[in-house]
Amino acid sequence: DIQMTQSPSSLSASVGDRVTITCRASQTISSYLNWYQQKPGKAPKVLIYAASSLQSGVPSRFSGSGSGTDFTLTISSLQPEDFATYYCQQSYRTPYSFGQGTKLEIK
Amino acid sequence: QVTLRESGPALVKPTQTLTLTCTFSGLSLRDSGMCVSWIRQPPGKALEWLARIDWDDDKYYSTSLKTRLTISKDTSKNQVVLTMTNMDPVDTATYFCARMQTGSSNFDYWGQGTLVTVSS
Repeated sequence: DIQMTQSPSSLSASVGDRVTITCRASQTISSYLNWYQQKPGKAPKVLIYAASSLQSGVPSRFSGSGSGTDFTLTISSLQPEDFATYYCQQSYRTPYSFGQGTKLEIK
Repeated sequence: QVTLRESGPALVKPTQTLTLTCTFSGLSLRDSGMCVSWIRQPPGKALEWLARIDWDDDKYYSTSLKTRLTISKDTSKNQVVLTMTNMDPVDTATYFCARMQTGSSNFDYWGQGTLVTVSS
């Protein structure tokens, strides 16, 4: 099975900050990497798919990069509504797997 | 408009079998490339993928849970059913169903989730 490791587990930042979250796969997954945002009590929402493609309707301050085993999610200028938990997920092969999550909190 | 909704018992006893139903609209599991997965999330913890069923009835399971899981579909009712046997308190979680299309390979539509508590 493919293991996904995110860092950091938690992050404190201020509105307007640039933030980067990283995700590492235990083996190559090409570009089959998705990023989700989850707010308390809600289902996750896809932000980025195929490592760098922005899901329709998602603000352009979100971007993704990487391929192979190392990936990043960047938020260029944090907005109040961005404080949430973020997960990466590999869709290279089943069984699919998620990272352990990064909780983004207000500083 | 694609919607998915999970339903099932809120409380099950240890050793019982859980049956969850995902009822969807705006998508068809007759369409090539369409898939529905189940994903769960224990309180305060990370997401865990459980199972997937495809338009052609191919099925895939979590390695650690595959002996306890069965996924099936009723295309005429627009439903996907997940059964999990021998429930344990560690299986307490919110269970989500979600759509994936093999072309985009991401979970683009989710249900709101249903909380299942395992307790005697």
